[in-house]
Amino acid sequence: DGGITQSPKYLFRKEGQNVTLSCEQNLNHDAMYWYRQDPGQGLRLIYYSQIVNDFQKGDIAEGYSVSREKKESFPLTVTSAQKNPTAFYLCASTAGVGTGELFFGEGSRLTVL
Amino acid sequence: AQSVSQHNHHVILSEAASLELGCNYSYGGTVNLFWYVQYPGQHLQLLLKYFSGDPLVKGIKGFEAEFIKSKFSFNLRKPSVQWSDTAEYFCAVELYNNNDMRFGAGTRLTVKP
Repeated sequence: DGGITQSPKYLFRKEGQNVTLSCEQNLNHDAMYWYRQDPGQGLRLIYYSQIVNDFQKGDIAEGYSVSREKKESFPLTVTSAQKNPTAFYLCASTAGVGTGELFFGEGSRLTVL
Repeated sequence: AQSVSQHNHHVILSEAASLELGCNYSYGGTVNLFWYVQYPGQHLQLLLKYFSGDPLVKGIKGFEAEFIKSKFSFNLRKPSVQWSDTAEYFCAVELYNNNDMRFGAGTRLTVKP
């Protein structure tokens, strides 16, 4: 089945450690996104990428980094510089500019202890 | 700052009541507009979208939304809600010809049977 796979689903880390969340899609979509979902704040855009080897910052990019070396993969690293990393992270993709619908993964819940 | 605003954080209705959820955005250029829904324990899924043409768009499950350009609004409506409409609803705006997709904070709808 085509879709977006995020891993891990749950992740616990100690403060000060970097952690990388995986996002893979087999939809052949050009654009990929990372959002952070917190209660009462909706989805806030961290980074998005329109094509391979290119990405743009969203509203809350500080403390995060991404790469887009392959079309199907868009990993997110939560660095130790992120002051409040405990959250639910959603990866999404879409076929291209103005094509509409985002397809979402199941999400990764990161808890920093 | 450019933003997407959803005015109602939590709406509680009885079955058969009418629904209207507000959404305003502050982007000045041409935009594509969306409403997504997240049922408890499920992925976000697209409810409806507006790109151009008739400003009244119909989506799945009896939902519709009206784009009013002069008010920068894209309100979601349903004439008669059902218990199964209990979910969180997100308005989203895509800047035209740019994959930058921003979401509102969401409105939680509770429908009492």
